[in-house]
Amino acid sequence: AQSVTQPDIHITVSEGASLELRCNYSYGATPYLFWYVQSPGQGLQLLLKYFSGDTLVQGIKGFEAEFKRSQSSFNLRKPSVHWSDAAEYFCAAAAFKAAGNKLTFGGGTRVLVKP
Amino acid sequence: ETGVTQTPRHLVMGMTNKKSLKCEQHLGHNAMYWYKQSAKKPLELMFVYSLEERVENNSVPSRFSPECPNSSHLFLHLHTLQPEDSALYLCASSQVWAFTYEQYFGPGTRLTVT
Repeated sequence: AQSVTQPDIHITVSEGASLELRCNYSYGATPYLFWYVQSPGQGLQLLLKYFSGDTLVQGIKGFEAEFKRSQSSFNLRKPSVHWSDAAEYFCAAAAFKAAGNKLTFGGGTRVLVKP
Repeated sequence: ETGVTQTPRHLVMGMTNKKSLKCEQHLGHNAMYWYKQSAKKPLELMFVYSLEERVENNSVPSRFSPECPNSSHLFLHLHTLQPEDSALYLCASSQVWAFTYEQYFGPGTRLTVT
């Protein structure tokens, strides 16, 4: 069965430090990959997506993600975290002919930013 | 109003009550979604409507009944819920029903079943 795993439930990072959030997927073929962010009291917002091509993807709010086929990973990074980046981050995947026309989400990683 | 709005933002209901959640999208999209977000569980897709027709029902109990009267509005009717149904219910919309199109989410309704 298709699945998306985010190994870290919580991460604490100091403001100005770098951030990396891990995401691993299990699919029969390379899926389409997404990162969403959910700020407190808000819905999810798409940060970036990977469909094909360049394996380093740039997104909004200064985030980027790197697709590594050999590791079945799609990790999210930001070089310098701001206090406003405190939120929950969700990795998601989807594939044609797999589990219908829908996204499969990971469990999420909650990011806390220390001053 | 812009984007996707949901009302109410918070709802407390007893197990024998009947209530409805409302979602409205102001984006001109043709697909709308209901998701359930429980603590310690991944986001779960419940229902999908495309052009006002239900196209996906992910084994959701019949105590949840969706309704899509037009492409801008989506309802989730609730009756005889269980405490385990307490969760954040998120509505989303996309231009068309395809995961290659970005989904825009509302802020959710926090439901507590007592």
